[in-house]
Amino acid sequence: QIQLVQSGPELKKPGESVKISCKASGYTFTDYAMHWVKQVPGKGLKWMGWINTYTGKPTYADDFKGRFVFSLEASASTANLQISNLKNEDTANVFCARVESSYTYWFAYWGQGTLVTVSS
Amino acid sequence: DIRMTQSPASLSASLGETVNIECLASEDIYSDLAWYQQKPGKSPQLLIYNANSLQNGVPSRFSGSGSGTQYSLKINSLQSEDVATYFCQQYNNYPLTFGSGTKLEIK
Repeated sequence: QIQLVQSGPELKKPGESVKISCKASGYTFTDYAMHWVKQVPGKGLKWMGWINTYTGKPTYADDFKGRFVFSLEASASTANLQISNLKNEDTANVFCARVESSYTYWFAYWGQGTLVTVSS
Repeated sequence: DIRMTQSPASLSASLGETVNIECLASEDIYSDLAWYQQKPGKSPQLLIYNANSLQNGVPSRFSGSGSGTQYSLKINSLQSEDVATYFCQQYNNYPLTFGSGTKLEIK
């Protein structure tokens, strides 16, 4: 079965960096893009962008340009999100998510979420 | 960006009741709309796509409708396990955007 398993919770200080991983299984990793979604605790969902798992090309939503980097370890079927120069407002649960099939844009598969807490 | 205005923000209903959640898009999204259910501490789960197509495995008491800019999620015969927050998402255009959520509780 298709699974997305994310790395564990992170506690960081402002200005530090964090790297979150999302390991996929149950399908061919390079067949489907990986998306990232942010959720501030108790709040709504915000799409961060996606990475083409075949070419490695990332696309970032406007609010996530600059300090955010999507990358791949394709041999390990893993997508990564690195956030640098962390700010208090980066405190959130971050999900990786996969679309149902090619040319669809709804998310049928989600990771369990990684809670990033930024606090001095 | 396409703004998704979801209402109500919270909803309390009795077991067995029917509830409706609305989503209004800031422009025509041509039925490119999905609904998700998120239980506390869990990731969102897909309920509906293409505005009215039920995802495999989702109970038939959930249904979606709408067109143009107005969409709704209907839950018939409310069950205790339906306590959750519900989100709509448009995928007609990038950036993908979500509604602000509706928190559903049992009265």
